[in-house]
Amino acid sequence: GAGVSQTPSNKVTEKGKYVELRCDPISGHTALYWYRQSLGQGPEFLIYFQGTGAADDSGLPNDRFFAVRPEGSVSTLKIQRTERGDSAVYLCASAEGAINTEAFFGQGTRLTVV
Amino acid sequence: DQQVKQNSPSLSVQEGRISILNCDYTNSMFDYFLWYKKYPAEGPTFLISISSIKDKNEDGRFTVFLNKSAKHLSLHIVPSQPGDSAVYFCAASFSGNQFYFGTGTSLTVIP
Repeated sequence: GAGVSQTPSNKVTEKGKYVELRCDPISGHTALYWYRQSLGQGPEFLIYFQGTGAADDSGLPNDRFFAVRPEGSVSTLKIQRTERGDSAVYLCASAEGAINTEAFFGQGTRLTVV
Repeated sequence: DQQVKQNSPSLSVQEGRISILNCDYTNSMFDYFLWYKKYPAEGPTFLISISSIKDKNEDGRFTVFLNKSAKHLSLHIVPSQPGDSAVYFCAASFSGNQFYFGTGTSLTVIP
């Protein structure tokens, strides 16, 4: 597709379970970002990839959160031992990778931990 | 610590009039600024950007102004249309790394 695709669009999981959220960036975009948005807040940075490597993971809240991008395209955000506070919309964005280019967002995955 | 702030949570404007959305930032290292528009249940959509070497960028009905000395930027929409009703986020970055977002302003354009 032409845009950033995120799957699933909605995920309900029980507290303590493991979840994986997938992001398919725009073809050719080397930069990929994960953000988390809670109600009434702006997107909060989690991690940024340039190619296959995590260039900045300073936004990951704790070691339960991990993300990979093994081939420099699709990325997976993994959350272990989910907590109710992890409930949010998880947004993925991609950019061409050159400095100061706009990032294009997917529609997000709404994660609900019950 | 919120480095990008949008102090007006909401704004209502009559159709055809100008909408002005404001954004303040604290980090003088920011060199690239963007505005995104968001409809419910959708991801943010890129609207317009400006580099710190400029003070104005225009794209159709949308103009972004940057005042570096005041660490302030604004988005002007003229004329406003009902389809512009959405939440608007400003964002800032330096050296092309992570984007810092404000908390958003909900714009309602009244027909």
